[in-house]
Amino acid sequence: AQSVTQPDIHITVSEGASLELRCNYSYGATPYLFWYVQSPGQGLQLLLKYFSGDTLVQGIKGFEAEFKRSQSSFNLRKPSVHWSDAAEYFCAVSPGGADGLTFGKGTHLIIQP
Amino acid sequence: EADIYQTPRYLVIGTGKKITLECSQTMGHDKMYWYQQDPGMELHLIHYSYGVNSTEKGDLSSESTVSRIRTEHFPLTLESARPSHTSQYLCASSEYLGPEAFFGQGTRLTVV
Repeated sequence: AQSVTQPDIHITVSEGASLELRCNYSYGATPYLFWYVQSPGQGLQLLLKYFSGDTLVQGIKGFEAEFKRSQSSFNLRKPSVHWSDAAEYFCAVSPGGADGLTFGKGTHLIIQP
Repeated sequence: EADIYQTPRYLVIGTGKKITLECSQTMGHDKMYWYQQDPGMELHLIHYSYGVNSTEKGDLSSESTVSRIRTEHFPLTLESARPSHTSQYLCASSEYLGPEAFFGQGTRLTVV
């Protein structure tokens, strides 16, 4: 069965600084990969996805992620964070055509003024 | 506008009550899902459906049940609510051949 690891439970970043959130997955083949963001009391919003092709994918709100097959990683990055980026970020995988997503435990992003 | 709707957003209910959490989507999607999310925790799949009259149990065992009589509607029912059912419940949908899921706003359930 597939699994997702987000090693950082909390990350604190100063406003305007760069951000990288880590995600590692375990799966026999290349899965479909996703990053979602969840603001307090809200549902999940899709930031970006990787299915195939170019390993650097662009998403909404200035986020990007890079798929590295050799490291089984799909890290999320943003060059300059804004206070509104404070939220919970979830990495997720899907074997494809299948039965739901497997999520990591999430990383709570705190933005310092 | 295509979207996925959950009602109620918040529900506080007494132990032993029967509850139904509503989920509707206007996305035209075949697949629908229910996830359970405890505070500060990851999401776990509890139910999913491929289409009308299809329901399957997810990775996390749940005492809830679901039905899929109409494509756009996927309600979740708890026959007798208990404090252990206190959680956030998120509904999602996706195209039949697409893994990308779209989520509703969630229902935060508190059983007292």
